[in-house]
Amino acid sequence: SQQGEEDPQALSIQEGENATMNCSYKTSINNLQWYRQNSGRGLVHLILIRSNEREKHSGRLRVTLDTSKKSSSLLITASRAADTASYFCATDVVRSSASKIIFGSGTRLSIRP
Amino acid sequence: KAGVTQTPRYLIKTRGQQVTLSCSPISGHRSVSWYQQTPGQGLQFLFEYFSETQRNKGNFPGRFSGRQFSNSRSEMNVSTLELGDSALYLCASSLEGHNYEQYFGPGTRLTVT
Repeated sequence: SQQGEEDPQALSIQEGENATMNCSYKTSINNLQWYRQNSGRGLVHLILIRSNEREKHSGRLRVTLDTSKKSSSLLITASRAADTASYFCATDVVRSSASKIIFGSGTRLSIRP
Repeated sequence: KAGVTQTPRYLIKTRGQQVTLSCSPISGHRSVSWYQQTPGQGLQFLFEYFSETQRNKGNFPGRFSGRQFSNSRSEMNVSTLELGDSALYLCASSLEGHNYEQYFGPGTRLTVT
């Protein structure tokens, strides 16, 4: 199975509500990144959180990282129609002499007007 | 700054042929990574090039290869195409690699018939 598993696979909420997506992974990481992908703008980087950080904010986005539980969450507050997209977590996996980015399968977020 | 550009955007090839995809990173970025995205396997890391050297590699067969030129532009080659190679191929550039924000291009949609 994937290193990064997003949960839920799909999420539909009302505009203005908050959306929370979770990502779990299996092995030690250097950092974890969240990306958004929609048909209009392709794959866009949202936030990078390093393994020694616990929380980061960017505008309406809040990301937490719990390395003891090997999990991360992405919170989008006050959702808008433009937030409709697929959201992926990507882990930079620790290797002896190299690193490898592994993407999760994604959460499809739909914002209802 | 201009974004990451990929050419061609769409490509149709026949089984057994080979194909070369091109990626021009953001000016000043030295790292270029390639990914394959399919509905079944999701986003998978192919390889990363940094300063003309392959620095990291995913779990793809030797039919998939790449190179990076002195101006950081990168090419990816797939030889002896198989039907399963049909996918969206994404290129991403970053300043120094996976520990930094990656900027993705729009992708090349490859269809193998």
